[in-house]
Amino acid sequence: QITLKESGPTLVKPTQTLTLTCTFSGFSLSTSGVGVGWIRQPPGKALEWLALIYWDDDKRYSPSLKSRLTITKDTSKNQVVLTMNNMDPVDTATYYCSHRTGYYGSGSYSGLFDYWGQGTLVTVSS
Amino acid sequence: DIQLTQSPYFLSAFVGDRVTITCRASQGISSHLAWYQQKPGKAPKLLIYAASTLQSGVPSRFSGSGSGTEFTLTISSLQPEDFATYYCQQLDSYPLTFGGGTKVEIK
Repeated sequence: QITLKESGPTLVKPTQTLTLTCTFSGFSLSTSGVGVGWIRQPPGKALEWLALIYWDDDKRYSPSLKSRLTITKDTSKNQVVLTMNNMDPVDTATYYCSHRTGYYGSGSYSGLFDYWGQGTLVTVSS
Repeated sequence: DIQLTQSPYFLSAFVGDRVTITCRASQGISSHLAWYQQKPGKAPKLLIYAASTLQSGVPSRFSGSGSGTEFTLTISSLQPEDFATYYCQQLDSYPLTFGGGTKVEIK
């Protein structure tokens, strides 16, 4: 079965760079249509999509955070890494990674996020 | 960016009630919409994708409808385990965006 797990620091200082790793099993990131995305959720607030990397190394970022984000994959290790620089207290959130797959429906191709990691809470504080 | 507006923000209902949540998109997204359920301290769970396709293993009391800019999630008979927060997400174009959430609580 498909599982994902996020790992990384629980506490970072303002201006530091956050590095999160998503380690997954049950699928390959070299399979056509597959991707891994990152989504975050500040305490008590809504979900926010951050970035997505596809099997062919296509990368997509949230425009509001694009200058601070980098997403990479290591297919041999079944890992996806997200880095976010210049961290600020407003970046305090639970960070999730998620498996993305594609489907054809209503005459078009789209995607869905069907498996999620448990999330990791990152606090930004001095 | 495509904005998703969910209503209501908060909903109080009895077990057995029929519940409907609405998600409106700021521009047309065809049927490229998903619904998630999230319980406190847990990751979101995919309920519906392609606006109306039930994810495997999700109870049939959940249903979705709509296309273009207006979508609904309906729970036909609310069960105790359905009390949670529900989010819609559009997957039509980047950046992928989520609605603000609808919290469903016990009356």
